Amino acid sequence: GQNIDQPTEMTATEGAIVQINCTYQTSGFNGLFWYQQHAGEAPTFLSYNVLDGLEEKGRFSSFLSRSKGYSYLLLKELQMKDSASYLCAVMDSNYQLIWGAGTKLIIKP
Amino acid sequence: GAVVSQHPSWVICKSGTSVKIECRSLDFQATTMFWYRQFPKQSLMLMATSNEGSKATYEQGVEKDKFLINHASLTLSTLTVTSAHPEDSSFYICSATSGGALETQYFGPGTRLLVL
Repeated sequence: GQNIDQPTEMTATEGAIVQINCTYQTSGFNGLFWYQQHAGEAPTFLSYNVLDGLEEKGRFSSFLSRSKGYSYLLLKELQMKDSASYLCAVMDSNYQLIWGAGTKLIIKP
Repeated sequence: GAVVSQHPSWVICKSGTSVKIECRSLDFQATTMFWYRQFPKQSLMLMATSNEGSKATYEQGVEKDKFLINHASLTLSTLTVTSAHPEDSSFYICSATSGGALETQYFGPGTRLLVL
């Protein structure tokens, strides 16, 4: 079967760095997405990785290793507004999105 | 974990026809379902929120007469794109929650619509 695993919840301190991991097993691979979702709002696109390596975009970076079925989202200089759920999703060979359950990130002062 | 399915996965239709997309929660009762559309590498755009047994709440700019939403049971919501046009071609994603808007949403795999 297809599945995406990511931690249910993580806690970090304002100003620190946090890494949210995502491992996947899917039938085919057409890219991996990271989204941020605040409670009651639509998910916001953060990144898309289809090739191995690190993609940096401001305070957020996303890494992909296709051979390991692994990705992580790295958030630097954490701010209170980064408290949200972070969703990992993989697009399979049929261009369907397989979703992780999301990681709730709690930022403490 | 909670599973949400969508049917069909892909649909290609002629301009002017209507297309129905189903969203089902397979192992939980979804009191609230959300319909989104997504353009490549962009954020999901919320189209509407539907609660079982009541009329859907549409986001500003979404035509409710064009995008008909029916949430007739706790496990099924449908989105009907009426008189589809090429600009309606998109990736439509539903999500479901057993609680309200602030509860964890479980997302479906999406439906690709191509209108010729």
